Amino acid sequence: AQRVTQPEKLLSVFKGAPVELKCNYSYSGSPELFWYVQYSRQRLQLLLRHISRESIKGFTADLNKGETSFHLKKPFAQEEDSAMYYCALGLSSNTGKLIFGQGTTLQVKP
Amino acid sequence: DAGITQSPRHKVTETGTPVTLRCHQTENHRYMYWYRQDPGHGLRLIHYSYGVKDTDKGEVSDGYSVSRSKTEDFLLTLESATSSQTSVYFCAISGMDRTYGYTFGSGTRLTVV
Repeated sequence: AQRVTQPEKLLSVFKGAPVELKCNYSYSGSPELFWYVQYSRQRLQLLLRHISRESIKGFTADLNKGETSFHLKKPFAQEEDSAMYYCALGLSSNTGKLIFGQGTTLQVKP
Repeated sequence: DAGITQSPRHKVTETGTPVTLRCHQTENHRYMYWYRQDPGHGLRLIHYSYGVKDTDKGEVSDGYSVSRSKTEDFLLTLESATSSQTSVYFCAISGMDRTYGYTFGSGTRLTVV
């Protein structure tokens, strides 16, 4: 079955510390992975797509098919990074459905 | 703006009453989705649509129905609201290229009392 697991409900770090938000997936097909961010009481916004291999707001994520992971990383956390982060798995079908993880709240302390 | 709007933004309703949430898009995207967001569960797919009058169930569809009579509108109906349907509901849209992911609406906070 398809599944996305984000093992940490809450990740609390100090400003300037490195951040790694973990995401593991289970899927037998060819995965498309995304990270979405939701700032307090706002809509979810796309942060990263694995296919574009881009860096947004200092965040990067690399798809590791061997470990079935797509961890989100940032070398130096900022207070404005505090938000809820969701990892999502796109299925190789024509429905465009995304399966989301449970989300990780990142709290960056001053 | 994002090209997708949800209405209402907030609603309080009584148990047993019908409720309809509306999602409207101006992007002419084919795919539309309804998710609910609950602490500890993340986002769970309720129903989705892959074209006008083409809809299908998601993982938590019980107690919900949808309709899409026009490309731009996707309605979610709670036939008889229950307290377990208290949640934040998000609509999302997606174009033909799945690799761009979704664009989300601002959400509807529904409270069933």
